[in-house]
Amino acid sequence: LAKTTQPISMDSYEGQEVNITCSHNNIATNDYITWYQQFPSQGPRFIIQGYKTKVTNEVASLFIPADRKSSTLSLPRVSLSDTAVYYCLVVYNDMRFGAGTRLTVKP
Amino acid sequence: NAGVTQTPKFRVLKTGQSMTLLCAQDMNHEYMYWYRQDPGMGLRLIHYSVGEGTTAKGEVPDGYNVSRLKKQNFLLGLESAAPSQTSVYFCASRNRVPQNTEAFFGQGTRLTVV
Repeated sequence: LAKTTQPISMDSYEGQEVNITCSHNNIATNDYITWYQQFPSQGPRFIIQGYKTKVTNEVASLFIPADRKSSTLSLPRVSLSDTAVYYCLVVYNDMRFGAGTRLTVKP
Repeated sequence: NAGVTQTPKFRVLKTGQSMTLLCAQDMNHEYMYWYRQDPGMGLRLIHYSVGEGTTAKGEVPDGYNVSRLKKQNFLLGLESAAPSQTSVYFCASRNRVPQNTEAFFGQGTRLTVV
């Protein structure tokens, strides 16, 4: 049973803000929400994590509502190099990736 | 600082052969993971370990065994390889603290079973 559900693919244009929403209805109290980015032929790379409310770092923001049943990754002003697969995970001990969202940024 | 190193990077096996993939990390991480990734698919968790001497099954454990005899190493074994095990295998490690979900990945092992 998948822990998370996210769109299969999204398209955007350079300079736009991209928001990817993930559903995790069965999240447990101890779970943290984390997002990874993967380029072809590479292992995934950590982007951001959170437990509740909003978290921001130098590359992204993560919005988590009070019920924690969903989360939204926000990428400001995307560029062509942001074309990748983005994974949403809920994590305690194990880390399960799901299918991810394939983001394509166009010129 | 090497991080997470996987050995080998490429391998071709014949059906029925056995092999072991080695994952080594130098960050003193407690948690280690093995994944497989088929073309166009997401990563699927095979087995993981939360500490030396412990292992647990993930989503797709059948046909694989693992051992964590030393904290820095996590071995993935295929006893009798099958063509369905052709995939790219990734290893990862992270700190013990549950709220730190930043894992570091190896460069991957591309395995072909013919």
